[in-house]
Amino acid sequence: GENVEQHPSTLSVQEGDSAVIKCTYSDSASNYFPWYKQELGKRPQLIIDIRSNVGEKKDQRIAVTLNKTAKHFSLHITETQPEDSAVYFCASSYGGATNKLIFGTGTLLAVQP
Amino acid sequence: DTAVSQTPKYLVTQMGNDKSIKCEQNLGHDTMYWYKQDSKKFLKIMFSYNNKELIINETVPNRFSPKSPDKAHLNLHINSLELGDSAVYFCASSHLLATMAIQFFGPGTRLTVL
Repeated sequence: GENVEQHPSTLSVQEGDSAVIKCTYSDSASNYFPWYKQELGKRPQLIIDIRSNVGEKKDQRIAVTLNKTAKHFSLHITETQPEDSAVYFCASSYGGATNKLIFGTGTLLAVQP
Repeated sequence: DTAVSQTPKYLVTQMGNDKSIKCEQNLGHDTMYWYKQDSKKFLKIMFSYNNKELIINETVPNRFSPKSPDKAHLNLHINSLELGDSAVYFCASSHLLATMAIQFFGPGTRLTVL
């Protein structure tokens, strides 16, 4: 069945450093890859997404890259700040009749001041 | 203005009881979802409705019954609650056929079964 693997499960960085979170998906028909940020006790919120016809997308300090051949996609956060500390989820979807999102297992990012 | 809202925020109940969680969205979306987030933070889709029609029904015990009275509301009724049902339940909504159907999540309902 569909599966999304996410690594690492925890990541600790110093403020100002970069953070990279990697995901691998199993369904080659997947064409939409969102990233959600979930702060403690809050709802998941979309921070960036990418479609399969694009290799990279940036939004200020965050960027996502997609390698369709390898079925990998990654989240890059530069110049990390303490408020970036949260759990980050990748997800994949092939759209179709259901828009079903398959989520990765999450990465707890801790940015040390 | 809250885009996707859920009630209640917290629900504490005894094993064997029946409870309901309500969800409403004012985004004009045609599709709504229920997710379960367990203690390890795994987010798993349970159900989805598009224009009041069930389109996703994952392997969920039949004690869980979703109901969508209209496309702005999706409720979740749980019968005979068990300890393992304790989790945070998130409602979400989106357009189904938009180019990128971004899902917006509600604030969650923390269910604790004693």
